[in-house]
Amino acid sequence: EVQLVESGGGLVQPGGSLRLSCAASGFTFNNYAMAWVRQAPGKGLEWVSSISGGVASTYNADSVKGRFTISRDSPKNTLSLQMNSLRVEDTAIYYCAKVAATWAYYYMDVWGKGTAVTVSS
Amino acid sequence: EIVLTQSPGTLSLPPGERATLSCRASHSFTSTYFAWYQQRPGQAPRLLIYGASSRATGIPDRFSGSGSGTDFTLTISRLEPEDSAVYFCQQYSSSPYTFGQGTKLEIK
Repeated sequence: EVQLVESGGGLVQPGGSLRLSCAASGFTFNNYAMAWVRQAPGKGLEWVSSISGGVASTYNADSVKGRFTISRDSPKNTLSLQMNSLRVEDTAIYYCAKVAATWAYYYMDVWGKGTAVTVSS
Repeated sequence: EIVLTQSPGTLSLPPGERATLSCRASHSFTSTYFAWYQQRPGQAPRLLIYGASSRATGIPDRFSGSGSGTDFTLTISRLEPEDSAVYFCQQYSSSPYTFGQGTKLEIK
């Protein structure tokens, strides 16, 4: 069974940093692109970052460019999101998602349960 | 950026009826790169439809997708209480991925 389990969320002050992790199991991790999608309280879905399978090319939304870094550790089947210079508007549930292809721009066929990030003073 | 606009915002229907949800794109794109997701209260999104009309694994045939260009539709027939959820459309044709704002479906 394919599973994605996020961790690392919490409360952080504006300007602070946080590192999210996503433990993947049940599929050949390196063969698939992965993504982070967030959902602010009571709002819709917003794509944040993606990383392709294999060569691990990365793509980021303009709203997080220069602040967030997506990475993957294939031997450990783990996806990460390093979030720096956090802003109040980054407050959201962050979902890890498996992309249904090696390249980054495709649909997301499996989602984790999410981890909550709150940016507040 | 391709903007997706969903309608209606909220839809209330009784069990057994058929729901029709719409998603309109600001620019035309190939239907291969279009998906629908369901998000039940307190849960993560779940893939329903990809490629505009292909059902994801385990999705009942009550759910069907159609459309091309700029207009896409999700139809849910024989509504059940468990279909109460927010439904999001998504395009993955060009960067950035974008989602519609969602349609809330209430079954009552």
